[in-house]
Amino acid sequence: GNSVTQMEGPVTLSEEAFLTINCTYTATGYPSLFWYVQYPGEGLQLLLKATKADDKGSNKGFEATYRKETTSFHLEKGSVQVSDSAVYFCALKKAAGNKLTFGGGTRVLVKP
Amino acid sequence: DGGITQSPKYLFRKEGQNVTLSCEQNLNHDAMYWYRQDPGQGLRLIYYSQIVNDFQKGDIAEGYSVSREKKESFPLTVTSAQKNPTAFYLCASSIGRDKSNQPQHFGDGTRLSIL
Repeated sequence: GNSVTQMEGPVTLSEEAFLTINCTYTATGYPSLFWYVQYPGEGLQLLLKATKADDKGSNKGFEATYRKETTSFHLEKGSVQVSDSAVYFCALKKAAGNKLTFGGGTRVLVKP
Repeated sequence: DGGITQSPKYLFRKEGQNVTLSCEQNLNHDAMYWYRQDPGQGLRLIYYSQIVNDFQKGDIAEGYSVSREKKESFPLTVTSAQKNPTAFYLCASSIGRDKSNQPQHFGDGTRLSIL
């Protein structure tokens, strides 16, 4: 079956530090890949997506590249802010059907 | 503005009581979903619906029921058979069938607690 594995948190950083959250997946075929962000007490917001190999999704200074050879979709940001403190979820969706498979989430805490 | 509205934001359930969580979307999406999120954990799929008058069980459907009588509405009932209902419930929608590159859009959630 499909699965998504994320690095466990919490990840604690200082402001302006470099952030990487690892995400690897298991799926047959060519899934679409997503990163969602959840701020405290809120629902999930789409952060970025990539729909085919070598695509790079980007938004709000975050980037992730769809690497089929390593089945990975790592999230990066060059300089984090306190406002980036949240839980980040990696997810995949297969071509057949609309169901999302989520990773367990990674909590990020950015300190001033 | 188009979006997904979940209500209420907070809900309390007494022992043996059924409660219904509301989810309404005005995005004209065909597909809708219910997820459960426990503290510090990821999302687990309860039920989903690809089209009006049709729905399927997700990974943890026991103790829950849904209906999809209208395109814009997908209410979730937490029945008394669900012995551990305390959680954060998220509703989502997406454009429709076999649109794998389209994301799901989420509501702001309902936090359910036991009295």
